[in-house]
Amino acid sequence: EPEVTQTPSHQVTQMGQEVILRCVPISNHLYFYWYRQILGQKVEFLVSFYNNEISEKSEIFDDQFSVERPDGSNFTLKIRSTKLEDSAMYFCASIQQGDTQYFGPGTRLTVL
Amino acid sequence: DAKTTQPPSMDCAEGRAANLPCNHSTISGNEYVYWYRQIHSQGPQYIIHGLKNNETNEMASLIITEDRKSSTLILPHATLRDTAVYYCIVRFSTDSWGKLQFGAGTQVVVTP
Repeated sequence: EPEVTQTPSHQVTQMGQEVILRCVPISNHLYFYWYRQILGQKVEFLVSFYNNEISEKSEIFDDQFSVERPDGSNFTLKIRSTKLEDSAMYFCASIQQGDTQYFGPGTRLTVL
Repeated sequence: DAKTTQPPSMDCAEGRAANLPCNHSTISGNEYVYWYRQIHSQGPQYIIHGLKNNETNEMASLIITEDRKSSTLILPHATLRDTAVYYCIVRFSTDSWGKLQFGAGTQVVVTP
């Protein structure tokens, strides 16, 4: 069964550094999403992306964040200057067409 | 999207049916009820969804009351691998591309 993949599984970075989290959505899917989950808290929506542009973003998704689909398969989330509070699990999800969202296994980001 | 209320936790014996309630008293006519689950630190996983009729798939059954103000997710024969947080989410049928709004969910622990 096709699945969403994410790399790396764990990323450790220093505060102020840039990180790029990578996702490979399911191949025929059209909409892409990033969510995050701070330890012990709810899963929170960050951004959705369709047709090479952002469809919706939350208040969390400020100027430090950006998303990109650099080629036909990858979907990336960049955090330009990481803060301690960016430490969380980051989940990528994708959807085909009015269907359910399929989530990846997540990337654990630790900012020191 | 309508708000949902779920109990914070429940236990279930292995092999028995797990019945997970969800209240959504402000649901409107064109809002679907979705269930997802999240096994510890993994990405959320779609289980089932419905509008007003009861639904069944290989994972679970969804029973929606006639007034649609509440629903029950039934795991017919719970296994230890069903230990997870279960989320009940209500969303508009016209918003099938939109973000998922996760609450705190119900922590289900299946015991031997």
